[in-house]
Amino acid sequence: QVQLVESGGGLVRPGGSLRLSCAASGFSFSDYYMTWIRRAPGKGLEWISYISGSGITIYYTGSVKGRFTISRDNTRSTLYLQMDGLRAEDTAIYYCARALPTDFYNLDVWGQGTTVTVSS
Amino acid sequence: DIAMTQSPLSLPVTPGEPASISCRSSQSLLHSNGNNYLDWYLQKPGKSPQLLIYLGSYRASGVPDRFSGSGSDTDFTLKISRVEAEDVGVYYCMQARHTPITFGQGTRLEIK
Repeated sequence: QVQLVESGGGLVRPGGSLRLSCAASGFSFSDYYMTWIRRAPGKGLEWISYISGSGITIYYTGSVKGRFTISRDNTRSTLYLQMDGLRAEDTAIYYCARALPTDFYNLDVWGQGTTVTVSS
Repeated sequence: DIAMTQSPLSLPVTPGEPASISCRSSQSLLHSNGNNYLDWYLQKPGKSPQLLIYLGSYRASGVPDRFSGSGSDTDFTLKISRVEAEDVGVYYCMQARHTPITFGQGTRLEIK
């Protein structure tokens, strides 16, 4: 069964850090681009970052560039999002999603989401 | 960044009736390979988003054939031929032609 399971969310103070994980199963993880997307309370979906299967190609949206770092461990079939310098506006449900082997659209598998709350 | 504009933002529909959502991009999503890099997603209440349509008009696996996507360049449409109660949720278009990837604001479909 193809599945993604996120973990690592929680309550953190402004300026703090968190590391999210996304454990993949049921498919050849290293073959696929992977993405992180979030949904803030009362708002729509916001794409954050993608990483290629090899980990060589990475891109971030402007609001997180320099603060968030996407990475992957293909030996553990796990995707990560290291979040530093967290701000109140980073409060959201964070989803990981599978894209294509050769491109970063067609997000056909999503995790259940993990909630990040940034508050003092 | 590419701006994606959806309309309407709220869509009340009677079951069995058709529905249509428009998505317009601020730049062309048409690649020289002939593909339009536009996906449609549905987020049902309390659930994760699910893929409905990719490359503008291709239905994802398992998506009922009452859903269809059309359009090219900067103008796209998602149509539901006969709305069912299970179609309730927020619909998003997403462009992947230009980085960063961007979503529309979302269209909330509700049952009358």
